[in-house]
Amino acid sequence: DIQMTQSPSTLSASVGDRVTITCRASQSISSWLAWYQQKPGKAPKLLIYKASSLESGVPSRFSGSGSGTEFTLTISSLQPDDFATYYCQQYNSYSGFTFGPGTKVDIK
Amino acid sequence: QVTLKESGPVLVKPTETLTLTCTVSGFSLSNARMGVSWIRQPPGKALEWLAHIFSNDEKSYSTSLKSRLTISKDTSKSQVVLTMTNMDPVDTATYYCARRTIYYGSGEGAFDIWGQGTMVTVSS
Repeated sequence: DIQMTQSPSTLSASVGDRVTITCRASQSISSWLAWYQQKPGKAPKLLIYKASSLESGVPSRFSGSGSGTEFTLTISSLQPDDFATYYCQQYNSYSGFTFGPGTKVDIK
Repeated sequence: QVTLKESGPVLVKPTETLTLTCTVSGFSLSNARMGVSWIRQPPGKALEWLAHIFSNDEKSYSTSLKSRLTISKDTSKSQVVLTMTNMDPVDTATYYCARRTIYYGSGEGAFDIWGQGTMVTVSS
């Protein structure tokens, strides 16, 4: 099975900060990596797919990069609505659809 | 408008079998580019993928839970059903279903639409 890790587990930041979250896969997943945002009591929302493609309707301050085993999610200028938990997920049909453990972005 | 809605019992007893239904609208389960997964999230914890059913009726399961899970679909009813046997208090969680859309030319895709989730508590 492919294992996913994320760092940091918690990130304290201020409005306007540039924020970067890292996700690593235990083996190469090419670019089959998605990022989701989840707010308390709500379902996750797709932000990024195929490592760097922005889902329709998602603000351009969100961006993704990476391939193989190391990936990053960047928020260029953190907004009040961005305080949430972020999950990466590998989606390879032959390897299941494993999620990372999550990164909580809270107010500094 | 595409929606998914989970339904099932709020409370189940240990050792019982859980049956959850995901009713979809706005797309067809026979669409070659679409499949549906079940994901769960214990209170305060991370998302855990459970099972997926592809448009051609192939199934994929979490390795750790494979022996307890069965996923199926009824295309005419627009429903995907998950059963989980031998429920335990550690299975207490919010259970989500989500649509997976295959991107053109790639053969792969992420979970683009999610249901609101249904909370299941396992307790005697």
